[in-house]
Amino acid sequence: DAMVIQNPRYQVTQFGKPVTLSCSQTLNHNVMYWYQQKSSQAPKLLFHYYDKDFNNEADTPDNFQSRRPNTSFCFLDIRSPGLGDAAMYLCATSRDPVSQPQHFGDGTRLSIL
Amino acid sequence: QQQVKQSPQSLIVQKGGISIINCAYENTAFDYFPWYQQFPGKGPALLIAIRPDVSEKKEGRFTISFNKSAKQFSLHIMDSQPGDSATYFCAASGSLYNFNKFYFGSGTKLNVKP
Repeated sequence: DAMVIQNPRYQVTQFGKPVTLSCSQTLNHNVMYWYQQKSSQAPKLLFHYYDKDFNNEADTPDNFQSRRPNTSFCFLDIRSPGLGDAAMYLCATSRDPVSQPQHFGDGTRLSIL
Repeated sequence: QQQVKQSPQSLIVQKGGISIINCAYENTAFDYFPWYQQFPGKGPALLIAIRPDVSEKKEGRFTISFNKSAKQFSLHIMDSQPGDSATYFCAASGSLYNFNKFYFGSGTKLNVKP
């Protein structure tokens, strides 16, 4: 009965080789978020979609892109991963942006060789 | 500027004891204050949340105390159990502020000793 599903759970890629992480949700929530979490740190918001409206955080590197083809799916594309991009990537959803709880997936652990 | 400050960074409590984690915020536009629990290799899971119209909310062994005038809120875990050992994050967001972005505290790693 997982509600926010992230695939794969572990991803290894080479330095500079593009990688795509995926997130799907069964909650029919309007908002989907992507966070980056490094060891022993709080999640850091990269961007979010409210329906099809895309909102990028000011400090999110251009290397990170996102796509949301429909309500259920959202993708994180890292065009040229660097060593500093190794982290846990978390997807979250909320029904709407007005003080609603966010529901997180279990993340994708990305390693860069 | 860190909008939500959390302390302590780590906490060791004996089984059966009370665990207390504190958070402080600056922005009076915040109107939603959740606590998340995160186990290693898992995503954060919502534990309990409070809005500023109440000063306390209790769910089982977990209680949030909220002090609006001091702009502080805290999580109390009564009768702490080894299974509570995890990292806890407080957060704050505002329904009319910055697309309801969640501002997370830096986290508290709780270790409950048997």
